[in-house]
Amino acid sequence: SQQGEEDPQALSIQEGENATMNCSYKTSINNLQWYRQNSGRGLVHLILIRSNEREKHSGRLRVTLDTSKKSSSLLITASRAADTASYFCATDAAGAGSYQLTFGKGTKLSVIP
Amino acid sequence: EAGVTQSPTHLIKTRGQQATLRCSPISGHTSVYWYQQALGLGLQFLLWYDEGEERNRGNFPPRFSGRQFPNYSSELNVNALELEDSALYLCASSRRGWGTGELFFGEGSRLTVL
Repeated sequence: SQQGEEDPQALSIQEGENATMNCSYKTSINNLQWYRQNSGRGLVHLILIRSNEREKHSGRLRVTLDTSKKSSSLLITASRAADTASYFCATDAAGAGSYQLTFGKGTKLSVIP
Repeated sequence: EAGVTQSPTHLIKTRGQQATLRCSPISGHTSVYWYQQALGLGLQFLLWYDEGEERNRGNFPPRFSGRQFPNYSSELNVNALELEDSALYLCASSRRGWGTGELFFGEGSRLTVL
């Protein structure tokens, strides 16, 4: 079963605008990660936020985590055509005892030049 | 530093056949993970290998199996192929034990079952 669920499923914006994607999950986590996937290729790690952190920045990326609501958001500022990709959140269940990093179905972002 | 490499890039099989996919992790990484990405289903966790041992497997039937070699490379075998096994199979690696954080993914092997 999917732990993380991204919202929206698809997002289309103009170059220069900001893009916000959300992720909701069901159980307590150790940390939450965001990955990017260009059309049918491998995933690239973007950022990791630990359960005791509320916000993290990396370049044009800003991630927030609200453990009380079991949700996270990824903000990409000043988007570029090259940001066109699918974005996935991934969570690991706290106290799981064994590895399982669970991915959502992703948000497909299209940035129109 | 070379990234995670997977082979073959594409593979076409017919129902009932067997498929073997290969993965070489980043140098120094001992953990290898396999994921299946079927159309519209996101990434589904298949298997985790570390130090040559299977540490965890996802909710897949036994015809999905694999192994990790002494050099930490890994092989995923899918027996008795079914049409729904058509997917992109992604391999990832990390330093020992996933809990250290990010995974490094290969470009995937696309399996088509006819």
